[in-house]
Amino acid sequence: GAVVSQHPSWVICKSGTSVKIECRSLDFQATTMFWYRQFPKQSLMLMATSNEGSKATYEQGVEKDKFLINHASLTLSTLTVTSAHPEDSSFYICSAPDSWTDTQYFGPGTRLTVL
Amino acid sequence: AQKITQTQPGMFVQEKEAVTLDCTYDTSDQSYGLFWYKQPSSGEMIFLIYQGSYDEQNATEGRYSLNFQKARKSANLVISASQLGDSAMYFCAMREGETSYDKVIFGPGTSLSVIP
Repeated sequence: GAVVSQHPSWVICKSGTSVKIECRSLDFQATTMFWYRQFPKQSLMLMATSNEGSKATYEQGVEKDKFLINHASLTLSTLTVTSAHPEDSSFYICSAPDSWTDTQYFGPGTRLTVL
Repeated sequence: AQKITQTQPGMFVQEKEAVTLDCTYDTSDQSYGLFWYKQPSSGEMIFLIYQGSYDEQNATEGRYSLNFQKARKSANLVISASQLGDSAMYFCAMREGETSYDKVIFGPGTSLSVIP
């Protein structure tokens, strides 16, 4: 079946640095991908919709200059957390819809810890 | 305004018993989809079951069934014959629109613990 991968699976960084998270659709093309953030013991909150060839669409309250999204190809979207701070520590999950099966597939998530 | 409500933060069920996890939703769209996902401690999101707004029959997938009451805007998940491996977080989610390209939003979740 369709698989979505994320890299890295976990990352620890110092405050003030930038971190890039990759989301790949492995056996299907995804013109759209979604990025979610999940704090401990909370639900998934949609951050933004990544669109291949155009700007991402951000949800209300999400800083687009802090969370840079680039949908470089039909199989890759990246989320860059710029100038990360401890409050950005969270579980980041991407998902990608497969138009062939009309199903949205989730990546395994990336756990970010900012010291 | 919260669109997905799950009123049970935590639930306990005896192994081999059935359990119902509640979900109510709010939308003005005529076409939408409802999902249930399981999230074990590993963090992966496991798709369980889907119900389209136009589906007249309740969805079933193995031990999972979705009790869809459109007029009440509820989509409860029923797990039959609970197993220890069912212990996890369960999220109800809604997609406003007809395609997989539409956004999916999640409820707050219910933590299910299966007792041996």
